[in-house]
Amino acid sequence: GDSVTQMEGPVTLSEEAFLTINCTYTATGYPSLFWYVQYPGEGLQLLLKATKADDKGSNKGFEATYRKETTSFHLEKGSVQVSDSAVYFCALSDQSPSNSNSGYALNFGKGTSLLVTP
Amino acid sequence: ETGVTQTPRHLVMGMTNKKSLKCEQHLGHNAMYWYKQSAKKPLELMFVYNFKEQTENNSVPSRFSPECPNSSHLFLHLHTLQPEDSALYLCASSRQGLAGTDTQYFGPGTRLTVL
Repeated sequence: GDSVTQMEGPVTLSEEAFLTINCTYTATGYPSLFWYVQYPGEGLQLLLKATKADDKGSNKGFEATYRKETTSFHLEKGSVQVSDSAVYFCALSDQSPSNSNSGYALNFGKGTSLLVTP
Repeated sequence: ETGVTQTPRHLVMGMTNKKSLKCEQHLGHNAMYWYKQSAKKPLELMFVYNFKEQTENNSVPSRFSPECPNSSHLFLHLHTLQPEDSALYLCASSRQGLAGTDTQYFGPGTRLTVL
């Protein structure tokens, strides 16, 4: 079945450091890929998405490119801030017709905790 | 800004209590979801409703009972829970069936503690 694997955390970085959080996936169809972020005490917020190969999602300085050849969707940011401290979840949505009745249920990775220190 | 609200935000209940979680979405979506988020585990999809009809039930124990009276509201009725049911329960919604609009939007969650 479809699955998402993301790097184990926690990741600790100094402010202004470069961030990469790795995410790879397995899917039988043509999934959409997502990064969600969860700040302490809150629900999940969509950070960015990509719906087809070679698409790049971007938001708030974060970027991720849908790489079909490597089945990856790594999250990057050039200069992190303390306010970026949160848990980041990679997810995929299988758009195959057989799954069309499930409302595009998401498969999530386990999440990667990021702590940015001043 | 989230268009999905959940109440209560925090709930403490005994194993013999009956309580309900409420979710409301103001986004005009037609699919709604319940997820369970436990420490050290991936998010677990519990239930999916599409046009008010339950389309998925991921082997959730019967002590959890969902209800979807209309496409904007979703409830999770709880009874005789166990301490291991303590978790963050997240509601989400999406528009199903349109290309490129399968993004799920989440509420803030209900932090449930079962004593």
